Amino acid sequence: RKEVEQDPGPFNVPEGATVAFNCTYSNSASQSFFWYRQDCRKEPKLLMSVYSSGNEDGRFTAQLNRASQYISLLIRDSKLSDSATYLCVVNGRGTSYGKLTFGQGTILTVHP
Amino acid sequence: GAGVSQSPSNKVTEKGKDVELRCDPISGHTALYWYRQRLGQGLEFLIYFQGNSAPDKSGLPSDRFSAERTGESVSTLTIQRTQQEDSAVYLCASRGGTVYEQFFGPGTRLTVL
Repeated sequence: RKEVEQDPGPFNVPEGATVAFNCTYSNSASQSFFWYRQDCRKEPKLLMSVYSSGNEDGRFTAQLNRASQYISLLIRDSKLSDSATYLCVVNGRGTSYGKLTFGQGTILTVHP
Repeated sequence: GAGVSQSPSNKVTEKGKDVELRCDPISGHTALYWYRQRLGQGLEFLIYFQGNSAPDKSGLPSDRFSAERTGESVSTLTIQRTQQEDSAVYLCASRGGTVYEQFFGPGTRLTVL
């Protein structure tokens, strides 16, 4: 089983749609969680951290369920510029602290 | 300020040759990471340097791969006797202090013919 698993998609949605991505992780000792965004042929960039209580940044909402080892990202009112690959990322603990494990990514295409 | 830089941006080599890829992290960042990303795939962890600690080499796929870092500055990833399956984008990232965010360089696209 992969350490971090995501639905690869692709998700094709119209502008203005709401779309949700899910991610599961296998290591219950994982400490921190993130969503990164990667545009085509570009490097990944941090989109947002994921906090236990859930957090929102504009149109983006991240949720964490430690009991189920599940992370989600919700995008509301999708824009064309949201088209990208969204990477679920988990940070280790103890000797693995600082070592991020990336999911394979979920591809999102927002069309007019 | 300057971000993470990598060189070369593209490298085409023949099977069996050695290649060296370079990463210049953000100044002051103590942690440095190398990842590999094959076409259409996710990021694959290769190696992690943290300050003066022994590097975490657990992701290196074979003994043809090695990496060095001089203090808290430049790192080089060396691939010996390259194979076609080594073709990928090699990404370097750095992180500073207690901040979790990793900042990525633009990558080196390696093509092995």
